[in-house]
Amino acid sequence: AQSVTQLGSHVSVSEGALVLLRCNYSSSVPPYLFWYVQYPNQGLQLLLKYTSAATLVKGINGFEAEFKKSETSFHLTKPSAHMSDAAEYFCAVSDSGYSTLTFGKGTMLLVSP
Amino acid sequence: EADIYQTPRYLVIGTGKKITLECSQTMGHDKMYWYQQDPGMELHLIHYSYGVNSTEKGDLSSESTVSRIRTEHFPLTLESARPSHTSQYLCASSEPGAGANVLTFGAGSRLTVL
Repeated sequence: AQSVTQLGSHVSVSEGALVLLRCNYSSSVPPYLFWYVQYPNQGLQLLLKYTSAATLVKGINGFEAEFKKSETSFHLTKPSAHMSDAAEYFCAVSDSGYSTLTFGKGTMLLVSP
Repeated sequence: EADIYQTPRYLVIGTGKKITLECSQTMGHDKMYWYQQDPGMELHLIHYSYGVNSTEKGDLSSESTVSRIRTEHFPLTLESARPSHTSQYLCASSEPGAGANVLTFGAGSRLTVL
């Protein structure tokens, strides 16, 4: 069985500061890993995905994530936060490209001026 | 521009009423899903479908039912709504094959049962 743990239900940063959202996973097989973002009153959108190619994955809006097998982590980063990045971010794992996703509880990113 | 549409976006209804949440997608995706989302909780998969006439229960037990008569349409029904059904329901679809876990989500239907 797979699981995802997102550390911190809320993360606050100032505009221009580094964004770091943490995700640790548990999987019995090499995982497929995803970050989704949910803006207020909208559905989730795919930010980026890791599917056993390069360990550093670049996504939309300047976000990237690094797969670290030894730490079972897939943390999401962005060098400089914008006000428009304020949203809820969900990490997800699956055990193949065909199976359903297991989501974490989400981390709300708050960006202050 | 949304390719997957959910109606209603918001619904407040009394206990015991029957409700249907509609979900339609224009991408021709075979696989469709319903997730339940509550604040501070994981998204829980409650139903999914591989295609027409296929429906499966997800990880979280739900009193709702679904049907898949047409590829583009995947409605969710609650025969008798209860306050415990108050939640946000997200519909999603995915491409076939190895892209099956790259999901496109609708904007959600927020249900409140009084």
